[in-house]
Amino acid sequence: EVQLVESGGNLVQPGGSLRLSCSASGFTFRNSWMHWVRQAPGQGLVWVSRINTDATNTMYAHSVRGRFTISRDNAKNTLYLQMNSLRVEDTATYYCARVADYDFFVDVWGQGTTVIVSS
Amino acid sequence: DMQMTQSPSTLSASIGDRVTITCRASQSVRDWLAWYQQKPGKAPNLLIYKASVLQSGAPSRFSGSGSGTEFTLTISSLQPDDFATYYCQEYNSYSFGQGTKLEI
Repeated sequence: EVQLVESGGNLVQPGGSLRLSCSASGFTFRNSWMHWVRQAPGQGLVWVSRINTDATNTMYAHSVRGRFTISRDNAKNTLYLQMNSLRVEDTATYYCARVADYDFFVDVWGQGTTVIVSS
Repeated sequence: DMQMTQSPSTLSASIGDRVTITCRASQSVRDWLAWYQQKPGKAPNLLIYKASVLQSGAPSRFSGSGSGTEFTLTISSLQPDDFATYYCQEYNSYSFGQGTKLEI
């Protein structure tokens, strides 16, 4: 069974840092592009970041560029999101998501991990 | 920047109704468009990709159409399990629509 399990969400003060992890299983992780998508409470889905298979190509939403870093460890089947200089508006559930093998759309989502930025 | 606009934002319907949700892109995305269903407290679930291809396991009452800048998601006969929020996403620059909440 294809599975993505996020972890690392927590309560953090504005200006703080947090690293999210996404553990993948049930598929060949090293062959899949991956995304992070977030959803603020009661709001819609917002794309955050994308990484290719060997981490040579990354992409970020304007709102997080320069503060967030996406990375992966293919040996550990794990995707990461390093979040620095956190702001109140970064409060959200963060989902990792897999890109389909044969196209560029997301076909599998994790269950999400919650980040709360508050003093 | 790419903008995806869904309409309506909220849709009230009844069991058995045929409903259509529209998604408009600010510039052409060809057929690089997916539709997702999300229920409260759950992760999104893929319904349609490549604008009109039904994801394996998705009910056949869901269908998608369109290309370029205008797309539609149609549910042919609403079932109780369909009351949820629906999002379109273009997968060139990954922008989502703001969502359409389908309610009774």
